[in-house]
Amino acid sequence: DSGVTQTPKHLITATGQRVTLRCSPRSGDLSVYWYQQSLDQGLQFLIQYYNGEERAKGNILERFSAQQFPDLHSELNLSSLELGDSALYFCASSPGGTQPQHFGDGTRLSIL
Amino acid sequence: AQTVTQSQPEMSVQEAETVTLSCTYDTSESDYYLFWYKQPPSRQMILVIRQEAYKQQNATENRFSVNFQKAAKSFSLKISDSQLGDAAMYFCAYRWDSGTYKYIFGTGTRLKVLA
Repeated sequence: DSGVTQTPKHLITATGQRVTLRCSPRSGDLSVYWYQQSLDQGLQFLIQYYNGEERAKGNILERFSAQQFPDLHSELNLSSLELGDSALYFCASSPGGTQPQHFGDGTRLSIL
Repeated sequence: AQTVTQSQPEMSVQEAETVTLSCTYDTSESDYYLFWYKQPPSRQMILVIRQEAYKQQNATENRFSVNFQKAAKSFSLKISDSQLGDAAMYFCAYRWDSGTYKYIFGTGTRLKVLA
């Protein structure tokens, strides 16, 4: 158990819809990362937050947005969903600095 | 731009034997970290080992060790005494040692362990 909690574990929805993925970092971790992993692909970095502020942005679509709240949990919002958005979405957290990130179990999003 | 390349999409190893997974990266930075992550069929991402670029000594974690060649920008993972539970996708990752601590992952190597 990495200590990073992602909900829900599975999500099935239709094209055009909007969903919210939630991540609770490990206790004490200030940094949260979001990744997308499409079928049999590597991890694509989406966005990073540190203590409530956006720190780095990757290849995140304009239809996607994220935020980190004062209690440090984070949400990834995906809107106007397309079939190609079907993927495993990972959240990872770290204390910041030189410490490595630890991953949650992911949310599997299926678009029908 | 920084890149991470894993040129072996798939590798096989006999149980109890040793296997080496390759990773090369490209960066102009001098301070960074390198990681190997394991993703078993359960799809969890598990940290296997990490290496600080400023350390010349290769990292070791039990049966897992790395061969870090900074000048060649190479970071290979050696798994000794392979076990059936080692079967997984292995991802090499690079992380800036700067304000963002952003990660870049390779495309992965699928390791099969043969009984």
